[in-house]
Amino acid sequence: SQQGEEDPQALSIQEGENATMNCSYKTSINNLQWYRQNSGRGLVHLILIRSNEREKHSGRLRVTLDTSKKSSSLLITASRAADTASYFCATAAGGTSYGKLTFGQGTILTVHP
Amino acid sequence: NAGVTQTPKFQVLKTGQSMTLQCAQDMNHEYMSWYRQDPGMGLRLIHYSVGAGITDQGEVPNGYNVSRSTTEDFPLRLLSAAPSQTSVYFCASSREDEQFFGPGTRLTVL
Repeated sequence: SQQGEEDPQALSIQEGENATMNCSYKTSINNLQWYRQNSGRGLVHLILIRSNEREKHSGRLRVTLDTSKKSSSLLITASRAADTASYFCATAAGGTSYGKLTFGQGTILTVHP
Repeated sequence: NAGVTQTPKFQVLKTGQSMTLQCAQDMNHEYMSWYRQDPGMGLRLIHYSVGAGITDQGEVPNGYNVSRSTTEDFPLRLLSAAPSQTSVYFCASSREDEQFFGPGTRLTVL
């Protein structure tokens, strides 16, 4: 079964606005990752946050993690048309879990020029 | 580096046919995985490998076989294709947490 539920399923914004996507998960995790998928392409890793971290930044990306609520959010600031893509959260369970990710259903982001 | 490569890009099969989806990586990664992506479902793990000679089942392994005889290659075999296996298949590799994905194989089973 899917570990993560993402919200919203689709998000449409104007260039320059911020985009926030949320992810909830069910079981304990070692880390949570966000991936981006352009239409018809493979996924690209964006950012990883470990279970003992609360917030992480990478360029225009900010990720938060609340393990008590089993939720995470991805904020993209000053969005660009090129940010149009699907965004997925993925969780890795505790222990040796390399190679085993559980993905959410994704958020489709459309950024209008 | 080519990264993770997958062949073929597209494939149409008839019910009952068998085929192998190829996956190769040139990054010397220990960990390799196969996922399938269905509309509105995200990615689901089929099989994964933690090194040459070692494989294990993921969430949706039925109807698929894997083997890993080398570090570089991780083929996925469909034994007897069914329409329910129509999907986009992604292979991924990793050294640790971050996974690198191939471009995918779009499979249609009629």
